[in-house]
Amino acid sequence: GDSVTQMEGPVTLSEEAFLTINCTYTATGYPSLFWYVQYPGEGLQLLLKATKADDKGSNKGFEATYRKETTSFHLEKGSVQVSDSAVYFCALSRRGSRLTFGEGTQLTVNP
Amino acid sequence: NAGVMQNPRHLVRRRGQEARLRCSPMKGHSHVYWYRQLPEEGLKFMVYLQKENIIDESGMPKERFSAEFPKEGPSILRIQQVVRGDSAAYFCASSPGTGAITEAFFGQGTRLTVV
Repeated sequence: GDSVTQMEGPVTLSEEAFLTINCTYTATGYPSLFWYVQYPGEGLQLLLKATKADDKGSNKGFEATYRKETTSFHLEKGSVQVSDSAVYFCALSRRGSRLTFGEGTQLTVNP
Repeated sequence: NAGVMQNPRHLVRRRGQEARLRCSPMKGHSHVYWYRQLPEEGLKFMVYLQKENIIDESGMPKERFSAEFPKEGPSILRIQQVVRGDSAAYFCASSPGTGAITEAFFGQGTRLTVV
């Protein structure tokens, strides 16, 4: 079945540091890939998405590229802020099926 | 266009009682998903519904849990005879269900506490 594996957390960085959160997946066919973010006490918000190989999703300074050859969708940001502290979830979906999530990675950014 | 609405936001039940969680999808969305999030853990899929149909309930416990999405009204997740282990945040998501991208929009969640 489909599965998503995320880099284990928690991750703690200083403000303006570079962020990478690794995500790899297993799925049949050609899934769409997503990163969601969850702030404390809130639901999940879509951060970015990519629907086919080599697509790059980007939003709010975050980027992730759909790499079919390595089945990966790593999340990156060049300079994190304190306000980026949250839990980040990688997810995939195939047409007509539900989202499958990774375990989530807690990010804490210190001033 | 209101987002996905879940209520109540917080629910306290005693062991053995029933918990009823509601989810109103975004306007125009006909697909609803329920997920459970235990403290410090990720989201676990429970059930995927379309109007009046259960599409995938592979994540639902076989006993005490049920879900519906009637033709009119919100989707309901029902937990009968709750136990302490049911304490969690329950999230609902909806999608239009068309096209290649099954992008889901999430509600704020219902945090169930069983005492």
